[in-house]
Amino acid sequence: GESVGLHLPTLSVQEGDNSIINCAYSNSASDYFIWYKQESGKGPQFIIDIRSNMDKRQGQRVTVLLNKTVKHLSLQIAATQPGDSAVYFCAENPNSGNTPLVFGKGTRLSVIA
Amino acid sequence: GAGVSQSPRYKVTKRGQDVALRCDPISGHVSLYWYRQALGQGPEFLTYFNYEAQQDKSGLPNDRFSAERPEGSISTLTIQRTEQRDSAMYRCASSSRTGSHYGYTFGSGTRLTVV
Repeated sequence: GESVGLHLPTLSVQEGDNSIINCAYSNSASDYFIWYKQESGKGPQFIIDIRSNMDKRQGQRVTVLLNKTVKHLSLQIAATQPGDSAVYFCAENPNSGNTPLVFGKGTRLSVIA
Repeated sequence: GAGVSQSPRYKVTKRGQDVALRCDPISGHVSLYWYRQALGQGPEFLTYFNYEAQQDKSGLPNDRFSAERPEGSISTLTIQRTEQRDSAMYRCASSSRTGSHYGYTFGSGTRLTVV
């Protein structure tokens, strides 16, 4: 299959542990953020989103935290499973309105069974 | 269809040839986006459409790149006189609403290799 990224920052986590993936964004006007998961050979898959009027949002096993003061976004995955192994990208909407998402650099999550 | 479909899955072409990449969005999705993704990088915006109207083509690298969506459904990204630097994964995404305040659904992409 296709390799999503060969020289990405890598986070290695033991199965069952929690994972935290971080993302710094540059545009203070960004008002919407998304985390995507990309498995080898596949397109990015939506995980969870958050709007700028929130600082935390929870999904199933995933939590996104937004710190607008330092322009930082994080994705927390609880009880990491082998199926969570993938490259994770954050994306932002840089201007309120109809503008395309801007993607950050990815982080490879490697789950050790 | 059930998902965003892109064809061909792989395309190898000789330098100087023209290529056309096709995207069939999810049925009823009004917005369609083209991105390019290099190995180890996040998707990079190229252009997008709301219905049949091209809203923004600021991400197209140069005038060899063009895109159309004549009936507001299927879209074609055309690269003329391909160069080796055009080699990349080209991804299409669609969204049920206009605006980027909703997630996109991505296709599996077309891997273009220019030799």
